[in-house]
Amino acid sequence: GESVGLHLPTLSVQEGDNSIINCAYSNSASDYFIWYKQESGKGPQFIIDIRSNMDKRQGQRVTVLLNKTVKHLSLQIAATQPGDSAVYFCAETKGTGRRALTFGSGTRLQVQP
Amino acid sequence: GAVVSQHPSWVICKSGTSVKIECRSLDFQATTMFWYRQFPKQSLMLMATSNEGSKATYEQGVEKDKFLINHASLTLSTLTVTSAHPEDSSFYICSARIERTNNQPQHFGDGTRLSIL
Repeated sequence: GESVGLHLPTLSVQEGDNSIINCAYSNSASDYFIWYKQESGKGPQFIIDIRSNMDKRQGQRVTVLLNKTVKHLSLQIAATQPGDSAVYFCAETKGTGRRALTFGSGTRLQVQP
Repeated sequence: GAVVSQHPSWVICKSGTSVKIECRSLDFQATTMFWYRQFPKQSLMLMATSNEGSKATYEQGVEKDKFLINHASLTLSTLTVTSAHPEDSSFYICSARIERTNNQPQHFGDGTRLSIL
């Protein structure tokens, strides 16, 4: 049978649609959260971050929402493009970012042209 | 452009060989760098925290004698996989943070794919 962890959840969207990628974080003491994009064979690339004193932050075509009550983080990508196809990870830490990150399990985004 | 550089990007070697991976911060100093390991289709797992001028801090289950870390300067940390075996084959990624101000995210290198035959 299949082993847990060997298959990333996949979100498949049409080009031009909006994408929403969700993440449940584990540590209620975490106060700094980051979304990374990882393309095949490369290291994670910073997308957007948010501190726990905020519940929403917007960047260029991306928005991060934080719900501390249920320890949930989401990444919204507007007008998704084929170049957005990658694996997306949320990461959490405590403090100003000096400490190591704890990564979520990741979501693969596939954008259909 | 890239702020963290890793070298080499890909290594294939025989079992029993020791392999050194370099992680450099470009145009900034990093007193702390982090080493992660990633298996196919899985997330990044922290291996160790590399501290300039002092011993690295290893995560539980990571053998410090197997994975030697040296952070001899403010821009370079090295990870040496000693006497590598096929089970050590993985994607190794380092990160560093620009420390001039608070609330700066960690930036990652492009990783080193290690394949042990």
